[in-house]
Amino acid sequence: DVKVTQSSRYLVKRTGEKVFLECVQDMDHENMFWYRQDPGLGLRLIYFSYDVKMKEKGDIPEGYSVSREKKERFSLILESASTNQTSMYLCASSLWGTGTGEQYFGPGTRLTVT
Amino acid sequence: SQQGEEDPQALSIQEGENATMNCSYKTSINNLQWYRQNSGRGLVHLILIRSNEREKHSGRLRVTLDTSKKSSSLLITASRAADTASYFCATDRRQAGTALIFGKGTTLSVSS
Repeated sequence: DVKVTQSSRYLVKRTGEKVFLECVQDMDHENMFWYRQDPGLGLRLIYFSYDVKMKEKGDIPEGYSVSREKKERFSLILESASTNQTSMYLCASSLWGTGTGEQYFGPGTRLTVT
Repeated sequence: SQQGEEDPQALSIQEGENATMNCSYKTSINNLQWYRQNSGRGLVHLILIRSNEREKHSGRLRVTLDTSKKSSSLLITASRAADTASYFCATDRRQAGTALIFGKGTTLSVSS
């Protein structure tokens, strides 16, 4: 079974803090994704990566950056957390060549910025 | 950008009844997928239907795709309380082939 894990289920941070959200997958998937999910807005793509050290902006990259130094790990960084970044963050992965195929999701990190 | 839009936003039914959710999208696609999300959890892939397919089955799930109307439906037959969840459709993006666009979801509540 594909397993995608996220470093925290719940996280509370203060405004202005630098926040790291970690995602690890164990199936040697090339593609990895970060989404945020907000009530009434559904899932919105923040960044994705199709290879180590490669990254592409999604629909809402402002205020975020990402890092992919190893194939299995994709990190989302909030450079200076703000209250409007309070949200559920979901990481996902998929195989190369089927990048628009099935995505496997982690359990999510609910981030609260106060 | 293109986006799947589910309809209805919320659906409440009794156990044993069928549940039908619809998804509409705006531009041509290669495939369309359906995902389920239980409360506060990650999404789980249910089924993928390609643009050259019209219908697909998986257990109690039946998905149809009408590319001329740019719409899809997900039918869950003989619903169970455990089917209570949010359901999302997702379409591929022609201009950035690896990423999906998700709709806002239909929340299904099945009561026993």
